[in-house]
Amino acid sequence: GEDVEQSLFLSVREGDSSVINCTYTDSSSTYLYWYKQEPGAGLQLLTYIFSNMDMKQDQRLTVLLNKKDKHLSLRIADTQTGDSAIYFCAESSAGRRALTFGSGTRLQVQP
Amino acid sequence: NAGVTQTPKFQVLKTGQSMTLQCAQDMNHNSMYWYRQDPGMGLRLIYYSASEGTTDKGEVPNGYNVSRLNKREFSLRLESAAPSQTSVYFCASSETGTGWEAFFGQGTRLTVV
Repeated sequence: GEDVEQSLFLSVREGDSSVINCTYTDSSSTYLYWYKQEPGAGLQLLTYIFSNMDMKQDQRLTVLLNKKDKHLSLRIADTQTGDSAIYFCAESSAGRRALTFGSGTRLQVQP
Repeated sequence: NAGVTQTPKFQVLKTGQSMTLQCAQDMNHNSMYWYRQDPGMGLRLIYYSASEGTTDKGEVPNGYNVSRLNKREFSLRLESAAPSQTSVYFCASSETGTGWEAFFGQGTRLTVV
């Protein structure tokens, strides 16, 4: 079946850039998403990219998609302590009714 | 603007007890979902409802039942709780199944002892 994989943990210093990586297996994925989960809260959509795009930039966030390698990344520029959270990669395709999520990457930002 | 509201936020059950988790959305969305979140496993889909009056099994439906009561409400029932159902449960909704932002509730932390 469909699978989405992420590394579990990333630690960076405040002000540095963070790069969170994700790989997926479904070649028919149409949309790929990044969700953020703060402690004790639900998930919030950060950004998404359509599968025919290579890159999307939104303020401090840059999403890169390598469709050939089925690799998605989220770069956060000038990472702040408020960015500490769990980041989930997710994908969807026309044939499925719900998102498939990765296991989440916990980002720890050290002052 | 409430979005997706789940109740209760916390619950402790004894093995074999039953309970219903409630979810309501005020965004007039067609699709609603129940996920469970376990450490290191991300979110796994339990059941979803593509539209009012329809429900379908997700990845991990065993031990659960759902009811799409109307367009706003989608409940999840545990008939006989087991320790393996200890988890954080999230309800979500979206305009349609794919290609649209899914909005999540705050979650229900359930412990079965």
